[in-house]
Amino acid sequence: QSALTQPASVSGSPGQSITISCTGSSSDVATYNLVSWYQQHPGKAPKLIISEISKRPSGVSNRFSGSKSGDTASLTISGLQPEDEADYYCCSYVDSTSFEVFGGGTKLTVL
Amino acid sequence: QVQLVQSGGEVKKPGASVKVSCKASGYTFTSYGIGWVRQAPGQGPEWMGWISAYNGNTNIAQNLQDRVTMTADTSTDIAYMELRHLRSDDTAMYYCARFVPLEWLFDYWGQGTLVTVSS
Repeated sequence: QSALTQPASVSGSPGQSITISCTGSSSDVATYNLVSWYQQHPGKAPKLIISEISKRPSGVSNRFSGSKSGDTASLTISGLQPEDEADYYCCSYVDSTSFEVFGGGTKLTVL
Repeated sequence: QVQLVQSGGEVKKPGASVKVSCKASGYTFTSYGIGWVRQAPGQGPEWMGWISAYNGNTNIAQNLQDRVTMTADTSTDIAYMELRHLRSDDTAMYYCARFVPLEWLFDYWGQGTLVTVSS
């Protein structure tokens, strides 16, 4: 069982914006700014797209942005493009015993 | 450029062990960690743990601590993950990734190694 809850699926049309939530608890997401987001296309390794809540690694499109409010982190993708269709996973530091955990994942469909 | 190249797929019987390697290049190996993530078919990633390539310290997920060993050879820049007492539910794609300790994230990933456990 994942300690981070994501919606199973979201969809949007090209050009639209969508937001994927990642809900944790007062002991992980709410406490630490150590939430990262990964994009995974079928048959490929995950790719880091957001680090530390809202930082974008070099080479990642500025259409991807992250934020946090309380125990929920969010990934927003603006100006949806067909190539954004993929699975998205959040990941957060939890504590010094459980260390880190991935969310259950969200499948993005670009209609 | 940073590259992580993993060893090839493995088929193992229940109860056996598997050792997956991860060859790093394009950066100073000891300046980062190597993390391991597995993904069962059709499932999301599972965080397994990471090893500091600098001092060999490890953080391993509680549910795997008694079966997993992670090592890093600084003479060859190769990291290894050994999983013992294999079960059918260990069947998964195993990824290594460069781990950034201060940010608790994986910034570059290997291509994955499929481990199949079947009698």
